[in-house]
Amino acid sequence: QLQLQESGPGLVKPSETLSLTCTVSGGSIRSFSYYWGWIRQPPGKGLDWIGSIYYAGSTFYNPSLKSRVTISVDTSKNQFSLRLSSVTAADTAVYYCARLEGGPYWYFDLWGRGTLVTVSS
Amino acid sequence: EIVMTQSPATLSVSPGERATLSCRASQSVSSNLAWYQQRPGQSPRLLIYGASTRATGIPARFSGSGSGTEFTLTISSLQSEDFAVYYCQQYKNWPPSGTFGPGTKVDIK
Repeated sequence: QLQLQESGPGLVKPSETLSLTCTVSGGSIRSFSYYWGWIRQPPGKGLDWIGSIYYAGSTFYNPSLKSRVTISVDTSKNQFSLRLSSVTAADTAVYYCARLEGGPYWYFDLWGRGTLVTVSS
Repeated sequence: EIVMTQSPATLSVSPGERATLSCRASQSVSSNLAWYQQRPGQSPRLLIYGASTRATGIPARFSGSGSGTEFTLTISSLQSEDFAVYYCQQYKNWPPSGTFGPGTKVDIK
């Protein structure tokens, strides 16, 4: 069965760039039916959609983060990645990658376990 | 931007009782609404999509209803594993984007 796994540094310094990778196993990222997304959750708070990508490269970002976010895909490795620049303590969160069903209804039907990223010097 | 609100923030329910959770959108999202359950220390799990369709493997005690701006998630008879936080999410079809509500915590009365 398809699984998603986040990986990357758990600690990032303020003003630096947060980089995470999501590895998709048990299936191909090259699916016509799905997009792939990143969602984050600050400690003790709710969920915040960061952005999504299609395997062919089309990207869609949360307007509030758009100036700092880049999501990319590497189909040869069955991975997609998140880069968030100029981080501050407010970016401390558990970061989830997830599969986004792409219509007619859109929803995140499969989630990774999440990885905690702390922004601190 | 579409803003989602959920009420109540916390719902205290006894096992076996019915729980009714509300979600409201600041403008119509048609039936483009999903519900997720998040147990402590776990990832969110999809419960409902298209406002009323149960996801694969979700028990029949979970049901969703509504359209436009008002939505409801009902748990007909709460089991111990149902005590969790529930989030609604709207999604705009194109470009695909989604906003989550702040969540409703269902705890044991």
